[in-house]
Amino acid sequence: NAGVTQTPKFQVLKTGQSMTLQCAQDMNHNSMYWYRQDPGMGLRLIYYSASEGTTDKGEVPNGYNVSRLNKREFSLRLESAAPSQTSVYFCASSTFSKGDTEAFFGQGTRLTVV
Amino acid sequence: GNSVTQMEGPVTLSEEAFLTINCTYTATGYPSLFWYVQYPGEGLQLLLKATKADDKGSNKGFEATYRKETTSFHLEKGSVQVSDSAVYFCALADRGSTLGRLYFGRGTQLTVWP
Repeated sequence: NAGVTQTPKFQVLKTGQSMTLQCAQDMNHNSMYWYRQDPGMGLRLIYYSASEGTTDKGEVPNGYNVSRLNKREFSLRLESAAPSQTSVYFCASSTFSKGDTEAFFGQGTRLTVV
Repeated sequence: GNSVTQMEGPVTLSEEAFLTINCTYTATGYPSLFWYVQYPGEGLQLLLKATKADDKGSNKGFEATYRKETTSFHLEKGSVQVSDSAVYFCALADRGSTLGRLYFGRGTQLTVWP
């Protein structure tokens, strides 16, 4: 029972390089999310997807793009990495039933931009 | 809007000490409330939750009571262990939204010494 799987776990980029963070969930959840975690800032929402084929901006979307490829997969792309994007990135998915929500998180991707 | 405020850390305790981490919230509707825990190098895991006023969530010796009158959801544990050292996040979800998005506090680092 894998839950939410993110790849890669670690990445070092040079300024200006691009990369895609991959995320997949096997729980048949409709909603998926990308957060970034920075010291003292908690988790800030970058983008989310309420269902297959839809995506919306969160609190800090600048410099990122996303794709909801299908119900399972939600990728995050950095087109031109900047040092300010050095962070730990978490993918999550959630289920909503009878007014109750539960979210599940991946293990995180630690990204350093030099 | 929706927001969560939790006490600033870090919190350092000796083993078997009593723990309280304060959390207050602002919500437009009737939220569900959560505590998530992040152990070093890992993703977030759900620790406990409460979905309506006066509910008490509990798990692994941790407890939190949903107080609507004070808009609070403080985390407590009577006797902490070294293995409880982690970052703790308070969060809320709007029960009126089918999205299931979580709003997080900034996190509180707990270190327990033997």
